[in-house]
Amino acid sequence: DAKTTQPPSMDCAEGRAANLPCNHSTISGNEYVYWYRQIHSQGPQYIIHGLKNNETNEMASLIITEDRKSSTLILPHATLRDTAVYYCIVRLTGTASKLTFGTGTRLQVTL
Amino acid sequence: GAVVSQHPSWVICKSGTSVKIECRSLDFQATTMFWYRQFPKQSLMLMATSNEGSKATYEQGVEKDKFLINHASLTLSTLTVTSAHPEDSSFYICSASRVRGEETQYFGPGTRLLVL
Repeated sequence: DAKTTQPPSMDCAEGRAANLPCNHSTISGNEYVYWYRQIHSQGPQYIIHGLKNNETNEMASLIITEDRKSSTLILPHATLRDTAVYYCIVRLTGTASKLTFGTGTRLQVTL
Repeated sequence: GAVVSQHPSWVICKSGTSVKIECRSLDFQATTMFWYRQFPKQSLMLMATSNEGSKATYEQGVEKDKFLINHASLTLSTLTVTSAHPEDSSFYICSASRVRGEETQYFGPGTRLLVL
């Protein structure tokens, strides 16, 4: 699986959009970009995933560059409850395909 | 939908005893379940992949005789830590992928194990 690079930490004011970047320059054509987050002492929570096109759901938006070498997760209106470690993972298709967690980005949402 | 539960949520045991952790997919059938371990201030590390009705595939460095995995049905996988020692104290998390269609892994809430 391709590796990803994320900034170790970011701050965001409550109510503002949080934009979390991820580089995955060695991604291959059949690998998806997945985003999970882990709130302290809990299991990871699935946020969103995409292959080529931008995606949006009730939690976030995922913007993938045309060359697929990087992506941005957008939390449109961050709240204190969004404080967590966010993981960007590239993964092959298939139910048995592994998720390899890096160190992620620790997002701190402040008042 | 896509809820995964774990039991127990935390356990304290004496060194040398065995501990069983259950992972259940509550509202979907899971072809594949995964077991992860997470030490304090570290990221999740995959321990093994289990498929219903077959033997688990362990990651390099994970002792299969110490961490017994059973995936007896499409909704239940168990991890047994045999002869636990203090260094096995960790946060154990499972995940599950649906039988068909959506391939996203959904995670359980985790089980915190403390071996005294």
